[in-house]
Amino acid sequence: GAVVSQHPSWVICKSGTSVKIECRSLDFQATTMFWYRQFPKQSLMLMATSNEGSKATYEQGVEKDKFLINHASLTLSTLTVTSAHPEDSSFYICSAGSNRVYGELFFGEGSRLTVL
Amino acid sequence: KQEVTQIPAALSVPEGENLVLNCSFTDSAIYNLQWFRQDPGKGLTSLLLIQSSQREQTSGRLNASLDKSSGRSTLYIAASQPGDSATYLCAVRLYNNNDMRFGAGTRLTVKP
Repeated sequence: GAVVSQHPSWVICKSGTSVKIECRSLDFQATTMFWYRQFPKQSLMLMATSNEGSKATYEQGVEKDKFLINHASLTLSTLTVTSAHPEDSSFYICSAGSNRVYGELFFGEGSRLTVL
Repeated sequence: KQEVTQIPAALSVPEGENLVLNCSFTDSAIYNLQWFRQDPGKGLTSLLLIQSSQREQTSGRLNASLDKSSGRSTLYIAASQPGDSATYLCAVRLYNNNDMRFGAGTRLTVKP
């Protein structure tokens, strides 16, 4: 199957700082990537859909000014958590679809953010 | 809005048992359904993908079935092992929306 890589796998930051998480499709092009958030012992919740070359589409209740998404190329989407607060601490996972494996989404390894 | 429900929320079985995990979804207009495994603090490992036109998929000791009309899927694990202990997530991909919607998962513990 196709490979999606996230970086960093974990990050600790102070309140008020910004953190950038990268999601790369390593061996395929992805016009659309998805960002999910997972709280402890809960399931994945879709935050936004990242579209290459255009603005991201955010789910209801997700602050677009706080969670900045940039999809500047067909292999890279970034999620920037701005002015991070402790309640932003979570596990963030991205996914992307490959037209080589029709219909399947591939997921990154996830990034654990801890805001002190 | 598509809702995905998984039952049970947690399951503990002795090693060697066969077991069934259940997943239901409210909107049958799905593109596909996928079962994942997630170990604590880790990402997702894809187990089985069932396209909407398929009834089941098998991989080793795992068998997943799909009944789209009733909005149900089951994951059957044969001869469970302690290494199978993890959270199992069911997710559906929608037709008119590209993303996947997840159930809350079933936390499985297989005791030696």
